[in-house]
Amino acid sequence: AQSVAQPEDQVNVAEGNPLTVKCTYSVSGNPYLFWYVQYPNRGLQFLLKYITGDNLVKGSYGFEAEFNKSQTSFHLKKPSALVSDSALYFCAVRDNDYKLSFGAGTTVTVRA
Amino acid sequence: DAGVTQSPTHLIKTRGQHVTLRCSPISGHKSVSWYQQVLGQGPQFIFQYYEKEERGRGNFPDRFSARQFPNYSSELNVNALLLGDSALYLCASSLGPGPSLLQFFGPGTRLTVL
Repeated sequence: AQSVAQPEDQVNVAEGNPLTVKCTYSVSGNPYLFWYVQYPNRGLQFLLKYITGDNLVKGSYGFEAEFNKSQTSFHLKKPSALVSDSALYFCAVRDNDYKLSFGAGTTVTVRA
Repeated sequence: DAGVTQSPTHLIKTRGQHVTLRCSPISGHKSVSWYQQVLGQGPQFIFQYYEKEERGRGNFPDRFSARQFPNYSSELNVNALLLGDSALYLCASSLGPGPSLLQFFGPGTRLTVL
């Protein structure tokens, strides 16, 4: 069975400050990890993924994520947050299964 | 290129009714997956189809069914609607079913059951 935990329901940061959204996962095989963002009344937009290779993954809109196998974590980061980054963020995992398993989501609010 | 499209955008039904949701994948994508997103929760996997065959099914009752057509579009059907079926239904398409392949999501259909 595969699962994802996003321990923080909400993250609040000031514009220009670093942003981190936490994610831990559990899989039986090799993990395939994804971050998606959702704006109000919209579908999910892909940010980045980890399949294999370099533990630091760079994605869209200046986001990056670090894969840590020993801690089973895949935290999303952005060095300098923008007000427009305010949205709902989902971490998701697949192992050798056919489905994506999502976390409950983290609401990010960036204040001006 | 058009992304994943879903219809209708919004839908209001009453308990006991039946609903059909439709999805058109990105051109060239042969796999379609359906997810249910209840307010305040992450999306939950319902079905995956590839080349018109069901490849996987989530923990949903038999009231939920789906199919994929020769042009790779898909329908999700829900019978005997319950209040708890109110949710955003998301369709995602990918080139194939492999775990490393990216799933692209449509804007969703908002279903309200009264």
